[in-house]
Amino acid sequence: AQKVTQAQTEISVVEKEDVTLDCVYETRDTTYYLFWYKQPPSGELVFLIRRNSFDEQNEISGRYSWNFQKSTSSFNFTITASQVVDSAVYFCALIFSGGYNKLIFGAGTRLAVHP
Amino acid sequence: DTGVSQNPRHKITKRGQNVTFRCDPISEHNRLYWYRQTLGQGPEFLTYFQNEAQLEKSRLLSDRFSAERPKGSFSTLEIQRTEQGDSAMYLCASSFGQGENTGELFFGEGSRLTVL
Repeated sequence: AQKVTQAQTEISVVEKEDVTLDCVYETRDTTYYLFWYKQPPSGELVFLIRRNSFDEQNEISGRYSWNFQKSTSSFNFTITASQVVDSAVYFCALIFSGGYNKLIFGAGTRLAVHP
Repeated sequence: DTGVSQNPRHKITKRGQNVTFRCDPISEHNRLYWYRQTLGQGPEFLTYFQNEAQLEKSRLLSDRFSAERPKGSFSTLEIQRTEQGDSAMYLCASSFGQGENTGELFFGEGSRLTVL
């Protein structure tokens, strides 16, 4: 079965704290893609990153970083020095080969960053 | 590039009525997707088009739901005889891809349906 689990329903932090959002995925396929999307209060899903299953290098983009570990089927997302504007719902998602490119989303983690 | 556009943004209807949503994808994108999102949940896949061909439909898409993408451009999602359980945000996304190559999916702002 193809599945994405985001165990953290809600996280609340104070501005400038670092925060890590967890994502665990399940797939039998060896070729797949993992994504993170941000959904601010306006509702539009904003693409953050795509990673294919053959690239386990961690990635850093400004205050954002991603840790991909195939051994634990995890693709965690860390925000360093969080800001109020980071408040949103964050979704981890999976596309598996043969899945007609459809994204399978986790339930999302709501992040609230307080001043 | 105006992004993915969805209309209407919000629709309130009475149970039993038909509703239609429209999605205009990014012009050069050949792939178009419909998703449904209920409160507190992640989006769930409904259907997928490559150009004008509907290649996959989820079991969530009952006989009351139909989607089209004539000429491989805009798409419509129609719900007939709406039920209260249809109340949700309907999201459209588009991407450019060839074969197994999966590009980034760009999402619209969604069409929120409320069935009274």
